[in-house]
Amino acid sequence: DAGVIQSPRHEVTEMGQEVTLRCKPISGHNSLFWYRQTMMRGLELLIYFNNNVPIDDSGMPEDRFSAKMPNASFSTLKIQPSEPRDSAVYFCASTLTGAGDTQYFGPGTRLTVL
Amino acid sequence: KQEVTQIPAALSVPEGENLVLNCSFTDSAIYNLQWFRQDPGKGLTSLLLIQSSQREQTSGRLNASLDKSSGRSTLYIAASQPGDSATYLCAVRPGSGSEKLVFGKGTKLTVNP
Repeated sequence: DAGVIQSPRHEVTEMGQEVTLRCKPISGHNSLFWYRQTMMRGLELLIYFNNNVPIDDSGMPEDRFSAKMPNASFSTLKIQPSEPRDSAVYFCASTLTGAGDTQYFGPGTRLTVL
Repeated sequence: KQEVTQIPAALSVPEGENLVLNCSFTDSAIYNLQWFRQDPGKGLTSLLLIQSSQREQTSGRLNASLDKSSGRSTLYIAASQPGDSATYLCAVRPGSGSEKLVFGKGTKLTVNP
Protein backbone atom coordinates (compact mmCIF):
# COMPACT_ATOMS: atom_id res chain seq x y z
CA ASP A 1 0.00 0.00 0.00
CA ALA A 2 1.20 3.54 -0.71
CA GLY A 3 0.35 4.75 2.77
CA VAL A 4 -1.45 8.00 3.54
CA ILE A 5 -0.92 10.50 0.75
CA GLN A 6 -0.97 14.24 1.30
CA SER A 7 -0.69 17.08 -1.14
CA PRO A 8 0.88 19.50 -1.55
CA ARG A 9 3.97 18.75 0.54
CA HIS A 10 4.81 22.43 0.79
CA GLU A 11 2.58 25.45 0.39
CA VAL A 12 3.58 29.10 0.58
CA THR A 13 0.82 31.65 0.35
CA GLU A 14 0.03 35.19 1.26
CA MET A 15 -2.22 36.28 4.08
CA GLY A 16 -5.84 36.36 3.03
CA GLN A 17 -5.56 33.65 0.40
CA GLU A 18 -7.52 30.41 0.46
CA VAL A 19 -5.52 27.25 1.14
CA THR A 20 -6.70 23.70 0.46
CA LEU A 21 -4.84 20.68 1.80
CA ARG A 22 -5.63 17.22 0.50
CA CYS A 23 -5.43 13.74 1.94
CA LYS A 24 -5.93 10.23 0.62
CA PRO A 25 -6.18 7.68 3.45
CA ILE A 26 -5.02 4.09 3.29
CA SER A 27 -7.50 2.01 1.33
CA GLY A 28 -9.92 0.22 3.65
CA HIS A 29 -9.40 2.54 6.59
CA ASN A 30 -12.59 4.09 7.92
CA SER A 31 -11.33 6.84 10.23
CA LEU A 32 -9.40 9.91 9.12
CA PHE A 33 -7.72 12.53 11.28
CA TRP A 34 -6.36 16.02 10.61
CA TYR A 35 -3.61 17.28 12.95
CA ARG A 36 -1.60 20.48 13.16
CA GLN A 37 1.95 20.59 14.53
CA THR A 38 3.75 23.72 15.74
CA MET A 39 6.76 24.22 17.96
CA MET A 40 4.71 26.07 20.55
CA ARG A 41 1.67 23.80 20.80
CA GLY A 42 2.98 20.46 19.56
CA LEU A 43 0.65 18.10 17.72
CA GLU A 44 -3.04 18.90 18.03
CA LEU A 45 -6.07 17.12 16.63
CA LEU A 46 -8.20 19.44 14.51
CA ILE A 47 -10.98 17.08 13.40
CA TYR A 48 -11.63 13.44 12.75
CA PHE A 49 -14.08 11.53 10.58
CA ASN A 50 -15.47 8.04 10.91
CA ASN A 51 -17.12 6.51 7.85
CA ASN A 52 -16.92 9.95 6.19
CA VAL A 53 -18.89 11.63 9.00
CA PRO A 54 -17.24 14.32 11.18
CA ILE A 55 -17.16 13.00 14.73
CA ASP A 56 -15.11 15.53 16.68
CA ASP A 57 -14.28 18.99 15.35
CA SER A 58 -13.60 20.58 18.72
CA GLY A 59 -10.00 21.24 17.74
CA MET A 60 -10.85 23.35 14.70
CA PRO A 61 -9.51 26.76 15.72
CA GLU A 62 -12.19 28.96 14.19
CA ASP A 63 -14.63 29.41 11.34
CA ARG A 64 -11.81 30.04 8.90
CA PHE A 65 -11.08 26.31 9.00
CA SER A 66 -13.31 23.72 7.37
CA ALA A 67 -12.87 20.05 6.51
CA LYS A 68 -14.76 17.70 4.26
CA MET A 69 -14.70 14.02 3.45
CA PRO A 70 -16.89 13.47 0.39
CA ASN A 71 -15.93 9.80 0.08
CA ALA A 72 -13.85 7.13 1.77
CA SER A 73 -10.73 7.90 -0.25
CA PHE A 74 -10.46 11.67 -0.07
CA SER A 75 -10.53 14.52 2.43
CA THR A 76 -9.75 18.22 2.32
CA LEU A 77 -8.84 20.81 4.94
CA LYS A 78 -9.52 24.37 3.84
CA ILE A 79 -8.38 27.62 5.41
CA GLN A 80 -10.10 30.78 4.20
CA PRO A 81 -8.79 33.41 4.67
CA SER A 82 -5.34 32.27 5.77
CA GLU A 83 -3.31 34.14 8.39
CA PRO A 84 0.39 34.01 9.34
CA ARG A 85 -0.47 32.21 12.61
CA ASP A 86 -1.79 29.30 10.54
CA SER A 87 1.77 28.49 9.50
CA ALA A 88 2.43 24.93 10.66
CA VAL A 89 2.79 21.37 9.46
CA TYR A 90 -0.57 19.73 8.85
CA PHE A 91 -0.76 15.95 9.09
CA CYS A 92 -3.43 13.56 7.96
CA ALA A 93 -3.72 10.11 9.53
CA SER A 94 -5.99 7.13 9.03
CA THR A 95 -6.91 3.96 10.84
CA LEU A 96 -9.26 1.00 10.68
CA THR A 97 -11.46 1.26 13.75
CA GLY A 98 -11.24 -1.76 16.02
CA ALA A 99 -8.22 -3.24 14.24
CA GLY A 100 -5.46 -2.30 16.65
CA ASP A 101 -6.06 1.45 16.96
CA THR A 102 -2.75 2.36 15.33
CA GLN A 103 -2.97 5.59 13.37
CA TYR A 104 -0.94 5.79 10.17
CA PHE A 105 0.36 9.24 9.37
CA GLY A 106 1.03 10.93 6.07
CA PRO A 107 4.23 12.92 5.44
CA GLY A 108 2.52 16.23 6.19
CA THR A 109 2.02 19.54 4.41
CA ARG A 110 4.26 22.40 5.53
CA LEU A 111 2.20 25.58 5.24
CA THR A 112 3.77 29.02 5.33
CA VAL A 113 1.50 32.05 5.30
CA LEU A 114 3.36 35.30 4.62
CA LYS B 1 -8.75 17.98 30.32
CA GLN B 2 -6.09 15.39 29.61
CA GLU B 3 -2.55 16.75 29.36
CA VAL B 4 0.54 14.81 28.34
CA THR B 5 4.05 15.86 29.31
CA GLN B 6 7.36 14.50 28.14
CA ILE B 7 10.60 15.26 29.93
CA PRO B 8 13.30 15.94 28.90
CA ALA B 9 12.58 17.84 25.70
CA ALA B 10 15.95 16.75 24.32
CA LEU B 11 18.45 14.03 25.16
CA SER B 12 21.91 13.28 23.77
CA VAL B 13 23.64 9.96 24.49
CA PRO B 14 26.62 8.00 23.18
CA GLU B 15 26.01 4.98 21.00
CA GLY B 16 25.42 1.74 22.87
CA GLU B 17 23.84 3.33 25.92
CA ASN B 18 20.54 2.09 27.31
CA LEU B 19 18.08 4.93 27.83
CA VAL B 20 14.63 5.75 29.15
CA LEU B 21 12.17 8.31 27.84
CA ASN B 22 9.42 9.50 30.13
CA CYS B 23 5.79 10.38 29.57
CA SER B 24 3.24 11.53 32.15
CA PHE B 25 -0.47 12.19 31.82
CA THR B 26 -2.87 13.98 34.13
CA ASP B 27 -5.97 11.77 33.91
CA SER B 28 -5.41 8.09 34.65
CA ALA B 29 -8.67 7.05 32.97
CA ILE B 30 -7.16 6.22 29.60
CA TYR B 31 -8.08 3.68 26.93
CA ASN B 32 -4.57 3.16 25.59
CA LEU B 33 -1.19 4.82 25.18
CA GLN B 34 1.05 4.87 22.15
CA TRP B 35 4.65 5.76 21.46
CA PHE B 36 5.49 7.24 18.07
CA ARG B 37 8.71 8.12 16.32
CA GLN B 38 9.07 11.18 14.10
CA ASP B 39 12.03 11.72 11.80
CA PRO B 40 12.80 15.26 10.56
CA GLY B 41 10.45 16.38 7.82
CA LYS B 42 8.39 13.21 8.02
CA GLY B 43 5.22 11.91 9.55
CA LEU B 44 4.85 9.82 12.66
CA THR B 45 5.42 6.09 12.85
CA SER B 46 3.76 4.05 15.58
CA LEU B 47 6.25 2.07 17.67
CA LEU B 48 4.26 0.50 20.48
CA LEU B 49 0.68 0.59 21.73
CA ILE B 50 -0.26 -0.39 25.27
CA GLN B 51 -3.89 -1.04 26.16
CA SER B 52 -5.08 0.23 29.54
CA SER B 53 -5.23 -3.34 30.85
CA GLN B 54 -1.60 -4.03 29.94
CA ARG B 55 1.58 -3.19 31.82
CA GLU B 56 4.10 -3.31 29.00
CA GLN B 57 4.79 -4.02 25.34
CA THR B 58 8.03 -5.00 23.66
CA SER B 59 9.30 -4.76 20.10
CA GLY B 60 12.91 -5.60 19.44
CA ARG B 61 15.12 -3.23 21.44
CA LEU B 62 12.11 -1.18 22.57
CA ASN B 63 10.08 -1.76 25.69
CA ALA B 64 7.22 0.46 26.81
CA SER B 65 5.67 0.29 30.24
CA LEU B 66 2.44 1.76 31.58
CA ASP B 67 1.51 2.64 35.15
CA LYS B 68 -2.02 4.05 34.91
CA SER B 69 -2.42 4.75 38.60
CA SER B 70 0.56 7.07 38.65
CA GLY B 71 -0.11 8.48 35.19
CA ARG B 72 3.25 7.44 33.77
CA SER B 73 4.74 5.56 30.87
CA THR B 74 8.35 4.92 29.94
CA LEU B 75 9.98 3.92 26.67
CA TYR B 76 13.16 1.94 27.19
CA ILE B 77 15.62 1.74 24.30
CA ALA B 78 18.38 -0.86 24.67
CA ALA B 79 21.81 -0.57 23.08
CA SER B 80 21.02 2.71 21.33
CA GLN B 81 22.23 3.29 17.76
CA PRO B 82 22.68 6.46 15.69
CA GLY B 83 19.68 5.33 13.63
CA ASP B 84 17.53 5.74 16.74
CA SER B 85 18.02 9.51 16.54
CA ALA B 86 14.57 11.03 16.14
CA THR B 87 11.81 12.69 18.13
CA TYR B 88 9.73 10.31 20.23
CA LEU B 89 6.15 11.25 21.03
CA CYS B 90 3.79 9.79 23.55
CA ALA B 91 0.04 9.89 22.90
CA VAL B 92 -2.90 8.99 25.08
CA ARG B 93 -6.34 7.92 23.90
CA PRO B 94 -8.61 9.18 26.68
CA GLY B 95 -11.58 6.89 26.14
CA SER B 96 -13.07 4.07 24.09
CA GLY B 97 -15.86 6.28 22.79
CA SER B 98 -13.52 8.62 20.94
CA GLU B 99 -10.54 7.88 18.71
CA LYS B 100 -8.98 11.22 19.63
CA LEU B 101 -5.30 11.13 20.69
CA VAL B 102 -3.68 13.67 23.01
CA PHE B 103 0.02 14.06 22.31
CA GLY B 104 3.00 15.17 24.35
CA LYS B 105 5.47 17.54 22.72
CA GLY B 106 8.07 14.85 22.37
CA THR B 107 11.65 14.12 23.35
CA LYS B 108 14.30 14.75 20.69
CA LEU B 109 16.88 11.98 20.96
CA THR B 110 20.36 12.20 19.50
CA VAL B 111 22.57 9.12 19.60
CA ASN B 112 26.19 10.03 18.91
CA PRO B 113 28.50 7.54 17.15
